[in-house]
Amino acid sequence: SQELEQSPQSLIVQEGKNLTINCTSSKTLYGLYWYKQKYGEGLIFLMMLQKGGEEKSHEKITAKLDEKKQQSSLHITASQPSHAGIYLCGALPEGGGSNYKLTFGKGTLLTVNP
Amino acid sequence: DTAVSQTPKYLVTQMGNDKSIKCEQNLGHDTMYWYKQDSKKFLKIMFSYNNKELIINETVPNRFSPKSPDKAHLNLHINSLELGDSAVYFCASSQVPAYGNTIYFGEGSWLTVV
Repeated sequence: SQELEQSPQSLIVQEGKNLTINCTSSKTLYGLYWYKQKYGEGLIFLMMLQKGGEEKSHEKITAKLDEKKQQSSLHITASQPSHAGIYLCGALPEGGGSNYKLTFGKGTLLTVNP
Repeated sequence: DTAVSQTPKYLVTQMGNDKSIKCEQNLGHDTMYWYKQDSKKFLKIMFSYNNKELIINETVPNRFSPKSPDKAHLNLHINSLELGDSAVYFCASSQVPAYGNTIYFGEGSWLTVV
């Protein structure tokens, strides 16, 4: 089964600093999802990447999928307290259909100090 | 309007009781899921239904029984609750299981068994 390793496990940054969270897979990623979780608010969809080399941005958050489709990074520019939360990467295995189930990493806890 | 809604949001109950968590999505999706997040924040799939038909059934005790009365609803019934069932349960939905389709999550149901 696919395993996702997220690093770092936790991160504390000063407001205004840039940061990067990584998600590495033991197998090829066929769909890589980034979610943010805040207590009491569930999982908020951020971005989904499919193609090797793909990069997407939303506001100050940029996500990339490497050419080999085994690693993704999430970069936050000029972090704000509102960015604080747990960031989860999730991936789909090959096959779709009955295999269409996200495997998640263990998450990265981000704290942004004002 | 909330796209994927779950009730109740918080549930505290005694061991041995039977409880249900309800989920509804208004996105017109064909596929719905139940995920469980344990105390270590590890998120894993439990079940998936596509158009009221069970397509994913992970290794879950048979005390857990999903029911989908129509494709907009997927309820989770748990019999004879145990302490280890304490977790956050997330409902999710997507269009047909295919790469490129976003999976949207509800806000979670916090179950505590005492």
